[in-house]
Amino acid sequence: DTAVSQTPKYLVTQMGNDKSIKCEQNLGHDTMYWYKQDSKKFLKIMFSYNNKELIINETVPNRFSPKSPDKAHLNLHINSLELGDSAVYFCASSQETFGQRRRFYGYTFGSGTRLTVV
Amino acid sequence: SQQGEEDPQALSIQEGENATMNCSYKTSINNLQWYRQNSGRGLVHLILIRSNEREKHSGRLRVTLDTSKKSSSLLITASRAADTASYFCATVPGNQFYFGTGTSLTVIP
Repeated sequence: DTAVSQTPKYLVTQMGNDKSIKCEQNLGHDTMYWYKQDSKKFLKIMFSYNNKELIINETVPNRFSPKSPDKAHLNLHINSLELGDSAVYFCASSQETFGQRRRFYGYTFGSGTRLTVV
Repeated sequence: SQQGEEDPQALSIQEGENATMNCSYKTSINNLQWYRQNSGRGLVHLILIRSNEREKHSGRLRVTLDTSKKSSSLLITASRAADTASYFCATVPGNQFYFGTGTSLTVIP
C-alpha cells in the first residue's frame, strides 16, 4: 500500500529518556514533515525537510532533531524527554516541484504516534 | 481517497478584494480545520470549527460549516498580498487528519 507509515503507534517512556519515532513514505514525495498536535488539537509544524533544505520551527526545542537517511525516511529523535513532550506526533509527506514554478500537490499524513512521558 | 476537496484549485484576486474557498468532504467529522501554507513551509493552522457550529470568525477570516451538505467555506476579507499562500481544509474523523489538495491563492498588489 502506498502510504506514510510511522512507528511506533504508542510510546510510553520515562522522563529523561531518549527516544525515536520513525517515518517512512513510499509515495516518492520529495518533502517530509513532522507535526505535533497541540492541546487544542491543531497541528503545529516542527520540521519540514527535502533533499536541499531543512526548515526548523524556531519554537521547537533543540532536544528534538530530525534525521533523514534518505528521501523516503524522516525520523524524529527526542533527547531528555520532558513531561510536556507528551502529545501526538504526525509525520507527513508531500510533493513539491521546483523550477520556474513551484507547485504543491497536497499532503499525505501518517496515522500518528501518541507519546506519553511519565 | 482524501476526505477534503477544496474548490477552486487556484484563485487570483486584487488586493482588497475578498477571497472565498470551499471545501467538501465525505464522511462525518468531529471538526474541520483550515490551514495555510506558504511556499516551502509547513502548515499553519488558521481556524477550527466544530461539527455543532455553523459559523466562526477570526480577524479577517470567516468560516462556515454545513454538515448536511458536508461542506465548508473560508472567506478572507480585504485580502493582502501577504495572504498569498495555499489554503487547506482538514477533516478530522476521529483522530486522523485528512487534507484536501488545497486552493492556491494569489493576491495581486
